Amino acid sequence: AQSVAQPEDQVNVAEGNPLTVKCTYSVSGNPYLFWYVQYPNRGLQFLLKYITGDNLVKGSYGFEAEFNKSQTSFHLKKPSALVSDSALYFCAVRAVQTGTASKLTFGTGTRLQVTL
Amino acid sequence: NAGVTQTPKFQVLKTGQSMTLQCAQDMNHEYMSWYRQDPGMGLRLIHYSVGAGITDQGEVPNGYNVSRSTTEDFPLRLLSAAPSQTSVYFCASRSGPSSYNSPLHFGNGTRLTVT
Repeated sequence: AQSVAQPEDQVNVAEGNPLTVKCTYSVSGNPYLFWYVQYPNRGLQFLLKYITGDNLVKGSYGFEAEFNKSQTSFHLKKPSALVSDSALYFCAVRAVQTGTASKLTFGTGTRLQVTL
Repeated sequence: NAGVTQTPKFQVLKTGQSMTLQCAQDMNHEYMSWYRQDPGMGLRLIHYSVGAGITDQGEVPNGYNVSRSTTEDFPLRLLSAAPSQTSVYFCASRSGPSSYNSPLHFGNGTRLTVT
Protein backbone atom coordinates (compact mmCIF):
# COMPACT_ATOMS: atom_id res chain seq x y z
CA ALA A 1 0.00 0.00 0.00
CA GLN A 2 1.22 3.48 -0.77
CA SER A 3 1.89 5.97 1.99
CA VAL A 4 3.22 9.44 2.70
CA ALA A 5 5.16 10.52 5.76
CA GLN A 6 5.50 14.10 6.92
CA PRO A 7 7.73 13.62 9.94
CA GLU A 8 7.30 17.10 11.41
CA ASP A 9 3.97 18.22 12.84
CA GLN A 10 5.21 21.80 12.90
CA VAL A 11 8.08 23.77 11.40
CA ASN A 12 9.04 27.15 12.83
CA VAL A 13 11.13 29.60 10.84
CA ALA A 14 11.90 33.31 11.00
CA GLU A 15 10.81 35.54 8.15
CA GLY A 16 13.52 35.88 5.55
CA ASN A 17 15.10 32.53 6.38
CA PRO A 18 14.90 29.51 4.09
CA LEU A 19 12.30 26.88 4.89
CA THR A 20 12.03 23.16 4.27
CA VAL A 21 8.99 20.97 4.83
CA LYS A 22 9.85 17.29 4.60
CA CYS A 23 7.98 14.53 2.78
CA THR A 24 8.88 10.93 2.09
CA TYR A 25 6.72 8.46 0.23
CA SER A 26 6.24 4.80 -0.50
CA VAL A 27 4.58 3.67 -3.73
CA SER A 28 4.72 0.77 -6.13
CA GLY A 29 6.45 1.96 -9.27
CA ASN A 30 6.92 5.57 -10.26
CA PRO A 31 5.07 8.33 -8.41
CA TYR A 32 3.13 11.45 -9.15
CA LEU A 33 3.84 13.80 -6.23
CA PHE A 34 1.94 16.89 -5.12
CA TRP A 35 2.12 19.65 -2.52
CA TYR A 36 -0.98 21.45 -1.33
CA VAL A 37 -1.40 24.34 1.12
CA GLN A 38 -4.35 24.95 3.43
CA TYR A 39 -5.08 28.34 4.98
CA PRO A 40 -7.46 28.58 7.97
CA ASN A 41 -11.06 27.71 7.19
CA ARG A 42 -10.27 27.09 3.54
CA GLY A 43 -9.87 24.10 1.28
CA LEU A 44 -6.54 22.83 0.04
CA GLN A 45 -4.85 24.75 -2.76
CA PHE A 46 -2.47 23.17 -5.25
CA LEU A 47 1.16 24.39 -5.01
CA LEU A 48 3.20 22.18 -7.32
CA LYS A 49 3.60 18.68 -8.70
CA TYR A 50 6.23 16.27 -9.96
CA ILE A 51 5.32 14.05 -12.88
CA THR A 52 8.54 13.27 -14.69
CA GLY A 53 11.67 14.98 -15.92
CA ASP A 54 13.53 17.67 -13.99
CA ASN A 55 13.86 16.73 -10.33
CA LEU A 56 13.51 20.36 -9.22
CA VAL A 57 9.93 21.55 -9.58
CA LYS A 58 8.90 25.18 -9.21
CA GLY A 59 5.42 26.16 -8.11
CA SER A 60 3.24 28.94 -6.82
CA TYR A 61 4.28 31.70 -4.37
CA GLY A 62 8.01 31.03 -4.81
CA PHE A 63 7.88 27.45 -3.54
CA GLU A 64 9.87 24.63 -5.07
CA ALA A 65 10.35 20.95 -4.35
CA GLU A 66 13.08 18.46 -5.16
CA PHE A 67 12.27 14.89 -6.14
CA ASN A 68 14.86 12.40 -4.90
CA LYS A 69 14.11 8.91 -6.14
CA SER A 70 16.85 7.15 -4.18
CA GLN A 71 15.66 8.67 -0.91
CA THR A 72 11.97 8.55 -1.92
CA SER A 73 11.61 12.14 -0.84
CA PHE A 74 9.89 15.25 -2.14
CA HIS A 75 10.79 18.08 0.25
CA LEU A 76 9.14 21.47 -0.14
CA LYS A 77 11.46 24.49 -0.01
CA LYS A 78 11.43 28.24 -0.23
CA PRO A 79 14.56 30.44 -0.17
CA SER A 80 13.03 33.23 1.92
CA ALA A 81 9.97 32.65 4.12
CA LEU A 82 7.17 35.17 4.56
CA VAL A 83 4.77 35.49 7.49
CA SER A 84 1.98 34.97 4.95
CA ASP A 85 3.39 31.49 4.22
CA SER A 86 2.13 30.34 7.62
CA ALA A 87 -0.34 27.54 6.86
CA LEU A 88 -0.83 23.79 6.84
CA TYR A 89 1.05 21.94 4.10
CA PHE A 90 0.15 18.53 2.72
CA CYS A 91 2.21 16.20 0.57
CA ALA A 92 0.38 13.63 -1.58
CA VAL A 93 1.37 10.72 -3.81
CA ARG A 94 -0.25 8.66 -6.52
CA ALA A 95 1.24 5.70 -8.34
CA VAL A 96 1.73 6.13 -12.07
CA GLN A 97 -0.68 3.50 -13.30
CA THR A 98 -3.86 3.42 -15.28
CA GLY A 99 -7.27 2.58 -13.97
CA THR A 100 -9.28 3.87 -11.06
CA ALA A 101 -7.15 1.84 -8.68
CA SER A 102 -4.66 4.69 -8.71
CA LYS A 103 -5.67 6.63 -5.60
CA LEU A 104 -4.18 9.82 -4.17
CA THR A 105 -2.79 9.40 -0.66
CA PHE A 106 -2.18 12.41 1.58
CA GLY A 107 0.27 12.88 4.40
CA THR A 108 -0.90 14.07 7.81
CA GLY A 109 0.19 17.64 7.18
CA THR A 110 2.88 19.97 8.54
CA ARG A 111 2.03 23.28 10.09
CA LEU A 112 4.44 26.02 9.03
CA GLN A 113 4.77 28.96 11.38
CA VAL A 114 6.76 31.94 10.13
CA THR A 115 7.53 34.65 12.68
CA LEU A 116 8.95 38.16 12.42
CA ASN B 1 -15.28 31.51 -11.62
CA ALA B 2 -16.80 29.82 -8.56
CA GLY B 3 -14.80 26.54 -8.79
CA VAL B 4 -16.02 24.02 -6.21
CA THR B 5 -18.87 25.17 -3.96
CA GLN B 6 -19.85 23.35 -0.78
CA THR B 7 -22.90 23.94 1.39
CA PRO B 8 -23.49 24.29 4.25
CA LYS B 9 -20.30 25.64 5.82
CA PHE B 10 -21.26 24.45 9.30
CA GLN B 11 -23.72 21.86 10.56
CA VAL B 12 -24.61 20.37 13.93
CA LEU B 13 -26.51 17.08 13.99
CA LYS B 14 -27.82 14.82 16.70
CA THR B 15 -26.89 11.17 16.64
CA GLY B 16 -29.16 9.29 14.27
CA GLN B 17 -30.14 12.25 12.13
CA SER B 18 -29.54 12.26 8.40
CA MET B 19 -28.36 15.04 6.14
CA THR B 20 -26.89 15.78 2.75
CA LEU B 21 -23.72 17.77 2.13
CA GLN B 22 -23.90 19.53 -1.19
CA CYS B 23 -21.06 19.94 -3.69
CA ALA B 24 -21.18 21.64 -7.07
CA GLN B 25 -18.43 22.49 -9.55
CA ASP B 26 -18.59 24.70 -12.63
CA MET B 27 -15.37 23.54 -14.33
CA ASN B 28 -16.93 20.62 -16.23
CA HIS B 29 -14.71 18.20 -14.32
CA GLU B 30 -15.52 14.54 -14.74
CA TYR B 31 -13.81 13.39 -11.57
CA MET B 32 -15.27 14.40 -8.20
CA SER B 33 -14.52 13.13 -4.72
CA TRP B 34 -15.27 13.53 -1.03
CA TYR B 35 -12.62 13.59 1.70
CA ARG B 36 -12.81 13.94 5.43
CA GLN B 37 -10.09 15.73 7.38
CA ASP B 38 -9.37 14.74 10.95
CA PRO B 39 -6.53 16.00 13.17
CA GLY B 40 -3.38 13.94 12.77
CA MET B 41 -4.88 11.82 10.00
CA GLY B 42 -4.61 13.98 6.94
CA LEU B 43 -7.31 13.60 4.31
CA ARG B 44 -9.07 10.31 3.76
CA LEU B 45 -11.09 9.48 0.66
CA ILE B 46 -14.73 8.61 1.32
CA HIS B 47 -16.26 8.19 -2.15
CA TYR B 48 -15.44 9.30 -5.65
CA SER B 49 -16.99 9.51 -9.09
CA VAL B 50 -15.38 9.39 -12.54
CA GLY B 51 -18.47 10.69 -14.32
CA ALA B 52 -22.23 11.03 -14.17
CA GLY B 53 -23.83 7.77 -13.10
CA ILE B 54 -20.54 6.25 -11.88
CA THR B 55 -19.47 6.18 -8.23
CA ASP B 56 -17.09 4.07 -6.18
CA GLN B 57 -15.90 3.69 -2.61
CA GLY B 58 -12.79 5.19 -1.16
CA GLU B 59 -10.98 4.10 2.00
CA VAL B 60 -13.62 5.16 4.57
CA PRO B 61 -17.05 4.75 2.90
CA ASN B 62 -19.07 3.28 5.76
CA GLY B 63 -21.98 5.46 6.86
CA TYR B 64 -21.97 7.56 3.69
CA ASN B 65 -23.79 7.38 0.37
CA VAL B 66 -23.22 9.27 -2.85
CA SER B 67 -24.85 9.65 -6.23
CA ARG B 68 -23.86 11.50 -9.40
CA SER B 69 -26.81 12.36 -11.59
CA THR B 70 -25.12 15.32 -13.30
CA THR B 71 -21.54 16.32 -14.08
CA GLU B 72 -21.83 19.37 -11.83
CA ASP B 73 -23.19 17.91 -8.59
CA PHE B 74 -21.91 15.26 -6.19
CA PRO B 75 -23.86 15.20 -2.91
CA LEU B 76 -22.73 13.23 0.13
CA ARG B 77 -25.42 11.69 2.32
CA LEU B 78 -25.07 10.72 5.95
CA LEU B 79 -27.75 8.14 6.59
CA SER B 80 -27.65 8.01 10.39
CA ALA B 81 -25.11 10.38 11.88
CA ALA B 82 -22.69 9.15 14.53
CA PRO B 83 -20.23 11.11 16.71
CA SER B 84 -17.38 9.40 14.82
CA GLN B 85 -18.49 11.34 11.75
CA THR B 86 -17.63 14.66 13.39
CA SER B 87 -15.09 16.03 10.94
CA VAL B 88 -14.40 18.57 8.23
CA TYR B 89 -15.58 17.38 4.84
CA PHE B 90 -14.04 18.48 1.57
CA CYS B 91 -15.29 18.01 -1.94
CA ALA B 92 -12.67 18.04 -4.69
CA SER B 93 -12.68 17.70 -8.45
CA ARG B 94 -10.21 17.38 -11.31
CA SER B 95 -10.37 17.24 -15.06
CA GLY B 96 -10.83 13.87 -16.71
CA PRO B 97 -11.12 10.51 -14.94
CA SER B 98 -7.78 9.44 -16.39
CA SER B 99 -5.89 12.68 -15.75
CA TYR B 100 -4.01 11.24 -12.80
CA ASN B 101 -1.40 13.98 -12.85
CA SER B 102 -3.96 16.78 -12.73
CA PRO B 103 -4.27 18.59 -9.40
CA LEU B 104 -7.43 18.50 -7.34
CA HIS B 105 -9.56 21.61 -6.88
CA PHE B 106 -11.06 21.76 -3.40
CA GLY B 107 -14.11 23.43 -1.94
CA ASN B 108 -13.86 25.36 1.32
CA GLY B 109 -15.25 22.53 3.40
CA THR B 110 -18.21 21.70 5.64
CA ARG B 111 -17.52 21.49 9.36
CA LEU B 112 -19.84 18.84 10.80
CA THR B 113 -20.42 18.17 14.50
CA VAL B 114 -22.47 15.19 15.63
CA THR B 115 -23.61 15.26 19.27
